[in-house]
Amino acid sequence: RKEVEQDPGPFNVPEGATVAFNCTYSNSASQSFFWYRQDCRKEPKLLMSVYSSGNEDGRFTAQLNRASQYISLLIRDSKLSDSATYLCVVNIINNFNKFYFGSGTKLNVKP
Amino acid sequence: DGGITQSPKYLFRKEGQNVTLSCEQNLNHDAMYWYRQDPGQGLRLIYYSQIVNDFQKGDIAEGYSVSREKKESFPLTVTSAQKNPTAFYLCASTNRAYEQFFGPGTRLTVL
Repeated sequence: RKEVEQDPGPFNVPEGATVAFNCTYSNSASQSFFWYRQDCRKEPKLLMSVYSSGNEDGRFTAQLNRASQYISLLIRDSKLSDSATYLCVVNIINNFNKFYFGSGTKLNVKP
Repeated sequence: DGGITQSPKYLFRKEGQNVTLSCEQNLNHDAMYWYRQDPGQGLRLIYYSQIVNDFQKGDIAEGYSVSREKKESFPLTVTSAQKNPTAFYLCASTNRAYEQFFGPGTRLTVL
Protein backbone atom coordinates (compact mmCIF):
# COMPACT_ATOMS: atom_id res chain seq x y z
CA ARG A 1 0.00 0.00 0.00
CA LYS A 2 1.32 3.45 -0.89
CA GLU A 3 2.04 5.87 1.92
CA VAL A 4 0.17 8.66 0.15
CA GLU A 5 -2.58 8.21 -2.43
CA GLN A 6 -4.14 10.73 -4.75
CA ASP A 7 -6.61 10.60 -7.61
CA PRO A 8 -4.41 11.17 -10.69
CA GLY A 9 -7.17 13.02 -12.57
CA PRO A 10 -7.09 14.86 -14.82
CA PHE A 11 -9.61 17.30 -13.46
CA ASN A 12 -10.83 19.44 -16.37
CA VAL A 13 -12.63 22.56 -15.15
CA PRO A 14 -13.66 25.89 -16.68
CA GLU A 15 -12.18 29.17 -15.52
CA GLY A 16 -13.88 30.43 -12.40
CA ALA A 17 -14.84 26.99 -11.15
CA THR A 18 -14.18 25.64 -7.70
CA VAL A 19 -12.26 22.37 -7.58
CA ALA A 20 -11.26 20.13 -4.69
CA PHE A 21 -8.58 17.47 -4.40
CA ASN A 22 -8.29 14.86 -1.70
CA CYS A 23 -5.33 12.84 -0.56
CA THR A 24 -5.15 9.97 1.92
CA TYR A 25 -2.15 8.86 3.94
CA SER A 26 -1.58 5.52 5.59
CA ASN A 27 0.78 6.25 8.47
CA SER A 28 -0.91 7.70 11.54
CA ALA A 29 2.52 8.89 12.74
CA SER A 30 2.57 11.48 9.96
CA GLN A 31 3.17 14.87 11.48
CA SER A 32 3.54 17.52 8.79
CA PHE A 33 1.46 17.95 5.67
CA PHE A 34 1.92 19.98 2.53
CA TRP A 35 0.57 20.70 -0.92
CA TYR A 36 3.04 21.29 -3.74
CA ARG A 37 2.44 22.44 -7.28
CA GLN A 38 4.46 21.00 -10.16
CA ASP A 39 4.38 22.45 -13.66
CA CYS A 40 5.31 20.27 -16.61
CA ARG A 41 9.03 19.44 -16.62
CA LYS A 42 9.70 21.69 -13.64
CA GLU A 43 10.51 21.14 -9.98
CA PRO A 44 7.75 20.97 -7.35
CA LYS A 45 7.09 24.23 -5.56
CA LEU A 46 5.57 24.56 -2.11
CA LEU A 47 2.00 25.80 -2.38
CA MET A 48 1.06 25.65 1.26
CA SER A 49 1.55 23.80 4.51
CA VAL A 50 -1.55 22.20 6.00
CA TYR A 51 -2.37 22.89 9.63
CA SER A 52 -4.64 20.95 11.94
CA SER A 53 -7.15 23.79 12.14
CA GLY A 54 -7.19 24.27 8.39
CA ASN A 55 -5.68 27.26 6.62
CA GLU A 56 -6.34 29.55 3.73
CA ASP A 57 -4.10 31.45 1.37
CA GLY A 58 -6.04 33.60 -1.04
CA ARG A 59 -8.07 31.31 -3.29
CA PHE A 60 -6.56 28.18 -1.77
CA THR A 61 -7.86 26.38 1.32
CA ALA A 62 -6.24 23.33 2.85
CA GLN A 63 -7.76 21.06 5.47
CA LEU A 64 -6.52 18.11 7.49
CA ASN A 65 -8.59 15.33 8.97
CA ARG A 66 -6.34 13.29 11.22
CA ALA A 67 -9.07 10.88 12.30
CA SER A 68 -9.75 9.83 8.70
CA GLN A 69 -6.16 10.44 7.57
CA TYR A 70 -6.89 12.68 4.64
CA ILE A 71 -5.89 16.11 3.41
CA SER A 72 -7.82 18.29 1.04
CA LEU A 73 -7.08 21.28 -1.17
CA LEU A 74 -9.82 23.59 -2.42
CA ILE A 75 -9.17 26.05 -5.22
CA ARG A 76 -11.78 28.75 -5.73
CA ASP A 77 -12.21 30.91 -8.84
CA SER A 78 -9.82 28.78 -10.90
CA LYS A 79 -7.43 30.59 -13.23
CA LEU A 80 -5.79 29.29 -16.38
CA SER A 81 -2.49 29.64 -14.54
CA ASP A 82 -3.65 27.11 -11.93
CA SER A 83 -3.22 24.34 -14.51
CA ALA A 84 -0.54 22.06 -13.05
CA THR A 85 -0.09 18.84 -11.11
CA TYR A 86 -0.76 19.10 -7.38
CA LEU A 87 1.27 16.87 -5.09
CA CYS A 88 0.24 15.87 -1.59
CA VAL A 89 3.18 15.39 0.77
CA VAL A 90 3.43 14.06 4.31
CA ASN A 91 6.40 14.07 6.63
CA ILE A 92 7.18 11.64 9.41
CA ILE A 93 9.63 13.45 11.62
CA ASN A 94 10.42 10.47 13.81
CA ASN A 95 11.25 8.38 10.76
CA PHE A 96 14.50 10.21 10.03
CA ASN A 97 12.50 13.14 8.74
CA LYS A 98 11.38 11.39 5.56
CA PHE A 99 8.87 12.84 3.15
CA TYR A 100 6.31 10.81 1.25
CA PHE A 101 4.89 12.14 -2.00
CA GLY A 102 1.66 11.31 -3.73
CA SER A 103 1.82 10.76 -7.49
CA GLY A 104 -0.08 13.99 -8.04
CA THR A 105 -3.44 15.16 -9.33
CA LYS A 106 -3.45 16.90 -12.68
CA LEU A 107 -5.61 19.99 -13.07
CA ASN A 108 -6.51 21.53 -16.43
CA VAL A 109 -8.31 24.86 -16.27
CA LYS A 110 -9.90 25.72 -19.59
CA PRO A 111 -11.13 29.07 -20.92
CA ASP B 1 19.07 35.32 -3.51
CA GLY B 2 18.90 32.19 -1.39
CA GLY B 3 18.11 28.95 -3.09
CA ILE B 4 19.12 25.58 -4.39
CA THR B 5 21.08 25.15 -7.59
CA GLN B 6 21.59 21.99 -9.57
CA SER B 7 23.89 21.38 -12.47
CA PRO B 8 23.92 20.46 -15.20
CA LYS B 9 20.36 21.00 -16.36
CA TYR B 10 20.71 18.22 -18.95
CA LEU B 11 23.18 15.33 -18.84
CA PHE B 12 23.83 12.52 -21.27
CA ARG B 13 25.51 9.36 -20.10
CA LYS B 14 27.00 6.55 -22.08
CA GLU B 15 26.57 2.95 -21.02
CA GLY B 16 29.03 2.00 -18.28
CA GLN B 17 29.87 5.56 -17.35
CA ASN B 18 29.60 7.14 -13.91
CA VAL B 19 28.24 10.68 -13.74
CA THR B 20 27.94 13.16 -10.88
CA LEU B 21 25.06 15.58 -10.39
CA SER B 22 25.74 18.72 -8.42
CA CYS B 23 23.47 20.21 -5.76
CA GLU B 24 24.31 23.35 -3.79
CA GLN B 25 22.20 25.33 -1.33
CA ASN B 26 22.80 28.64 0.46
CA LEU B 27 19.73 28.42 2.67
CA ASN B 28 21.71 27.16 5.67
CA HIS B 29 19.52 24.05 5.79
CA ASP B 30 20.86 20.98 7.57
CA ALA B 31 18.80 18.33 5.76
CA MET B 32 19.21 17.59 2.06
CA TYR B 33 17.58 15.00 -0.19
CA TRP B 34 17.85 13.43 -3.62
CA TYR B 35 14.79 12.20 -5.48
CA ARG B 36 14.17 10.59 -8.82
CA GLN B 37 11.04 11.23 -10.88
CA ASP B 38 10.05 9.12 -13.87
CA PRO B 39 7.44 10.32 -16.40
CA GLY B 40 3.96 10.34 -14.88
CA GLN B 41 5.29 9.07 -11.58
CA GLY B 42 5.74 10.46 -8.11
CA LEU B 43 9.05 11.29 -6.46
CA ARG B 44 11.11 8.43 -5.10
CA LEU B 45 13.77 8.98 -2.45
CA ILE B 46 17.33 7.99 -3.35
CA TYR B 47 19.43 9.32 -0.46
CA TYR B 48 19.10 11.88 2.27
CA SER B 49 21.37 13.60 4.75
CA GLN B 50 20.38 15.16 8.03
CA ILE B 51 23.79 16.62 8.80
CA VAL B 52 27.30 16.99 7.40
CA ASN B 53 29.24 13.71 7.07
CA ASP B 54 26.11 11.62 7.55
CA PHE B 55 23.61 10.23 5.04
CA GLN B 56 21.09 7.41 4.76
CA LYS B 57 19.79 5.29 1.91
CA GLY B 58 16.33 6.00 0.67
CA ASP B 59 13.97 3.63 -1.09
CA ILE B 60 15.94 3.26 -4.32
CA ALA B 61 19.61 3.75 -3.39
CA GLU B 62 21.03 0.88 -5.44
CA GLY B 63 23.35 2.16 -8.17
CA TYR B 64 23.74 5.59 -6.57
CA SER B 65 26.21 7.14 -4.14
CA VAL B 66 26.42 10.46 -2.31
CA SER B 67 28.73 12.48 -0.10
CA ARG B 68 28.08 15.31 2.36
CA GLU B 69 31.42 16.92 3.12
CA LYS B 70 29.98 20.43 3.36
CA LYS B 71 26.66 21.70 4.62
CA GLU B 72 26.02 23.49 1.34
CA SER B 73 26.75 20.60 -1.00
CA PHE B 74 25.21 17.15 -1.59
CA PRO B 75 26.43 15.65 -4.89
CA LEU B 76 24.88 12.49 -6.30
CA THR B 77 26.84 9.99 -8.40
CA VAL B 78 24.92 7.74 -10.74
CA THR B 79 27.09 4.68 -11.21
CA SER B 80 27.17 2.14 -14.01
CA ALA B 81 25.40 -0.25 -11.63
CA GLN B 82 22.20 1.77 -12.02
CA LYS B 83 20.48 -0.14 -14.81
CA ASN B 84 17.85 2.41 -15.77
CA PRO B 85 19.12 5.87 -14.87
CA THR B 86 17.17 7.92 -17.39
CA ALA B 87 15.00 10.19 -15.22
CA PHE B 88 14.51 13.66 -13.77
CA TYR B 89 16.67 14.10 -10.65
CA LEU B 90 15.63 16.57 -7.99
CA CYS B 91 17.63 17.81 -5.04
CA ALA B 92 15.88 19.36 -2.04
CA SER B 93 16.62 20.82 1.35
CA THR B 94 14.39 21.32 4.36
CA ASN B 95 13.96 24.19 6.79
CA ARG B 96 13.12 23.88 10.47
CA ALA B 97 9.41 24.01 9.71
CA TYR B 98 9.91 20.82 7.69
CA GLU B 99 9.11 22.67 4.46
CA GLN B 100 11.02 21.17 1.58
CA PHE B 101 12.44 23.28 -1.23
CA PHE B 102 13.65 21.94 -4.54
CA GLY B 103 16.32 22.79 -7.04
CA PRO B 104 15.43 23.07 -10.74
CA GLY B 105 16.44 19.47 -11.43
CA THR B 106 18.76 17.60 -13.78
CA ARG B 107 17.45 15.52 -16.69
CA LEU B 108 19.68 12.51 -17.22
CA THR B 109 19.49 10.51 -20.42
CA VAL B 110 21.40 7.34 -21.18
CA LEU B 111 22.60 7.14 -24.77
